[in-house]
Amino acid sequence: DAGVIQSPRHEVTEMGQEVTLRCKPISGHNSLFWYRQTMMRGLELLIYFNNNVPIDDSGMPEDRFSAKMPNASFSTLKIQPSEPRDSAVYFCASSFSGGASTGELFFGEGSRLTVL
Amino acid sequence: KNEVEQSPQNLTAQEGEFITINCSYSVGISALHWLQQHPGGGIVSLFMLSSGKKKHGRLIATINIQEKHSSLHITASHPRDSAVYICAVAGNQFYFGTGTSLTVIP
Repeated sequence: DAGVIQSPRHEVTEMGQEVTLRCKPISGHNSLFWYRQTMMRGLELLIYFNNNVPIDDSGMPEDRFSAKMPNASFSTLKIQPSEPRDSAVYFCASSFSGGASTGELFFGEGSRLTVL
Repeated sequence: KNEVEQSPQNLTAQEGEFITINCSYSVGISALHWLQQHPGGGIVSLFMLSSGKKKHGRLIATINIQEKHSSLHITASHPRDSAVYICAVAGNQFYFGTGTSLTVIP
C-alpha cells in the first residue's frame, strides 16, 4: 500500500512567494493532520481535518497560512506570502479515527521548505 | 510550561543494553503516541496507547493513566535503534514532547 504521499519533498523559494504543499492521505483514512517541525520548536500540530472538515486550526501560526481538503484524497497547505521564519519541515499524517484522539498516525516523508 | 515532558533528552547506550525513555504529561488525554524519527527525518508511529502495555518486537510501551506517565522500553538495543523518540499526547489538542535522542554504539 502506498503510504501518505507529500509533495514537493524539498522547496526553496524567496521571501514573499506563495508556497503550496500537497498531501495525499492513505486511502480509507478519515483524519488528516498537518505538522511543522523546526529545531527551535520541535513538532507542532498546525491543523487537522476529520472527514474533510477542518476541526482544529488553532495551531496555524497566522493568516498567511491556509489549508484545504477538497476531498478525502487530497489536502493542501498554502503559505502566502512566505517568510524566512516559515522555513521548516512540514509533515502530513493521516489516520482512521473519530477525531484526533484515536487512530494510529501514519506520516508522510515531509516537505522541507527553505524561504530565503 | 510544557504539557509533555520527556526524559532523558539525550541517551547513549552500548549495543545490547536495555533502554527506557520516560514521558510525563499534565493534560487529560484519550491516547498517547510514541513516534520514532530517524536521521533523514521520516517519522514512524511506534505505538498508540490508551491503557496498559503494548509490545512490538523488542519495543515495549506502557502507560499509567492515573500517574500520567508512559515509558518506552527497548530490549537488546541495536545501533539501528538510534533515532529521536517523541512522545505525543492527544486530548483536546495534540501536545508533543521535545524528543529523546538515542544513540546506540556497537
